[in-house]
Amino acid sequence: RKEVEQDPGPFNVPEGATVAFNCTYSNSASQSFFWYRQDCRKEPKLLMSVYSSGNEDGRFTAQLNRASQYISLLIRDSKLSDSATYLCVVNYVGAGGTSYGKLTFGQGTILTVHP
Amino acid sequence: DVKVTQSSRYLVKRTGEKVFLECVQDMDHENMFWYRQDPGLGLRLIYFSYDVKMKEKGDIPEGYSVSREKKERFSLILESASTNQTSMYLCASSWDTRPTFGSGTRLTVV
Repeated sequence: RKEVEQDPGPFNVPEGATVAFNCTYSNSASQSFFWYRQDCRKEPKLLMSVYSSGNEDGRFTAQLNRASQYISLLIRDSKLSDSATYLCVVNYVGAGGTSYGKLTFGQGTILTVHP
Repeated sequence: DVKVTQSSRYLVKRTGEKVFLECVQDMDHENMFWYRQDPGLGLRLIYFSYDVKMKEKGDIPEGYSVSREKKERFSLILESASTNQTSMYLCASSWDTRPTFGSGTRLTVV
């Protein structure tokens, strides 16, 4: 079983649609969670961190369910510029306790927003 | 803004060559990482470093080594390049758990 699993898509949605991506992780001791965005032929960039209480940044809402080991990203009112690959990222800090932990990336979910 | 600079955007090397991929960051970050990204496999960690002269193996270190002589620079070395090392290589740095990536080096080994 992969440590971080995402539905690869692709998701094709019209402008203005609401779309949700899901991600599951296998290590119950994982401690921090993020969504990164990667445009075609570009590097991944941090979209948002994911907090236990859920958090929102404009049209983007991230949720974490530790009991089910499940993370989600909701995009409302999709724009053409939202077209990208969305990467779920999970961090596990082991017994060594170093600050960086061990990041594991999902394979990414491809989103295409069309006019 | 943090800047992570990779020396080459595209690189073509021959099988058996020794290859150096260079990465420099300008924000005094302690942590630096090398990943490779392949279709269907996502990003996989090759090596990371949390201090000068310190290094740790990631998930796929075989065939690679690294060097961190100065805080701002983290080099990835392919001792004898092979065709299965054709990939996109991404360097990243961070002071916490959220890395900032360079723009990547697309390496082709022929």
